[in-house]
Amino acid sequence: GQSLEQPSEVTAVEGAIVQINCTYQTSGFYGLSWYQQHDGGAPTFLSYNALDGLEETGRFSSFLSRSDSYGYLLLQELQMKDSASYFCAVRDRSGGYNKLIFGAGTRLAVHP
Amino acid sequence: DGGITQSPKYLFRKEGQNVTLSCEQNLNHDAMYWYRQDPGQGLRLIYYSQIVNDFQKGDIAEGYSVSREKKESFPLTVTSAQKNPTAFYLCASSLRESSYNEQFFGPGTRLTVL
Repeated sequence: GQSLEQPSEVTAVEGAIVQINCTYQTSGFYGLSWYQQHDGGAPTFLSYNALDGLEETGRFSSFLSRSDSYGYLLLQELQMKDSASYFCAVRDRSGGYNKLIFGAGTRLAVHP
Repeated sequence: DGGITQSPKYLFRKEGQNVTLSCEQNLNHDAMYWYRQDPGQGLRLIYYSQIVNDFQKGDIAEGYSVSREKKESFPLTVTSAQKNPTAFYLCASSLRESSYNEQFFGPGTRLTVL
C-alpha cells in the first residue's frame, strides 16, 4: 500500500525559511506533489517532482530524493499569508486506476 | 471561467436523512473525486470516477454513494448508514492522466448532521 508521513505542525517567523518534510512508501512511484490549503478553503496545487532534485517556483521550492523515498517543500521569505496546511501526495495507479494518496498535512503557523 | 462548483457551502441535516452534495466542473476533465476532511486531518478518498458511468470505491466508501451520468457532474449522497457524517466534503477533478498529479478542487461543502 501507499503511505506518507509529514510533521503535524511547524512554526516560523515572518521572513524566515521553513522546510516541510515528507517520507513515503509506495508500491510504484509516479511523482510527489504538494498542495496548500488555507483554513476553510480548497487545496491548491503547488508543485510536482518526478525526478530527483530541486524544482523552484518563486518563493517555493520542492525537492525529491527517490532513493530515500523523501521529499520536502521549502518556503522562503515567509509571509503571514503562508499560514496554511501543506499536504504531500503521491499517485496510486493500482488496479489500473489513477488516484492521489495524501499525507495528513503539516499546519504551518507564521508569526510576526 | 473554468472551474469546479460545489453547492451548497453549508448544509444542515437531521440524523437519519440522506443528503446529496452537488459537484459540477466545466474543465472538461474525465476524472472526478470526492474527499472527506475532518478537523485537523488530511484528505480521505471516498469515491472516484475516471470516466462517465464508471466509479470506484476509495478508502472510506461505506455509507456513501455516487453516480456519474454526465462528464461534468459527480454528485455524492451521504446516506443514513454513514455513522459520523459531519465533515468538510471536497470534490476534485483532473485529467485522466495528469502529468503533474494536479487535481483541481471545489470550494467544499461543510455538512453538519444534527
